[in-house]
Amino acid sequence: NAGVTQTPKFRILKIGQSMTLQCTQDMNHNYMYWYRQDPGMGLKLIYYSVGAGITDKGEVPNGYNVSRSTTEDFPLRLELAAPSQTSVYFCASSGQGGYGYTFGSGTRLTVV
Amino acid sequence: DQQVKQNSPSLSVQEGRISILNCDYTNSMFDYFLWYKKYPAEGPTFLISISSIKDKNEDGRFTVFLNKSAKHLSLHIVPSQPGDSAVYFCAASGLSSSNTGKLIFGQGTTLQVKP
Repeated sequence: NAGVTQTPKFRILKIGQSMTLQCTQDMNHNYMYWYRQDPGMGLKLIYYSVGAGITDKGEVPNGYNVSRSTTEDFPLRLELAAPSQTSVYFCASSGQGGYGYTFGSGTRLTVV
Repeated sequence: DQQVKQNSPSLSVQEGRISILNCDYTNSMFDYFLWYKKYPAEGPTFLISISSIKDKNEDGRFTVFLNKSAKHLSLHIVPSQPGDSAVYFCAASGLSSSNTGKLIFGQGTTLQVKP
């Protein structure tokens, strides 16, 4: 039971570099989400998707992009990394109805 | 604008005693509430939930209470065990999110259960 798989687990980026955080789920869930967790700030929604080909912005989308070409994959793209994007990123998925997320183990990103 | 607030960053209790974690919300349109538990270097895992049509939901050692008039919910863990030591997040969702499943999370409370 893989659930939600995120790669990489850790990454250090230099300011201005770009990268893609990968997220794959094997539960055939329609709903997928990207959150970031900053210390003392809880989880903030970056982008979400309700199905393949459908994405929408969350609370903090600036500096990020997503795509959802398949049900399984929901990559998060960072363009022109900034120190403010230093955070722990979590991908999550849920079945029809949208409640009861299954989270991945997270990607810890540091931008220097 | 923090719609879901956990005002206690940390809580320490003795093993065997009760742990009470609190959560306040401001949006009266929220109608579904969840608690997640997170261990270090892992993703959050679902713990327990409650619909706004109820005021209590119980699952083993975990009970969630909802006070709609006060816009307040709490998670009770009885008895507390050292393995319960983790960060607990409160989350909420409303009618406007019913077709997206978006959750609004609180800041989290770190629970330490001492042996």
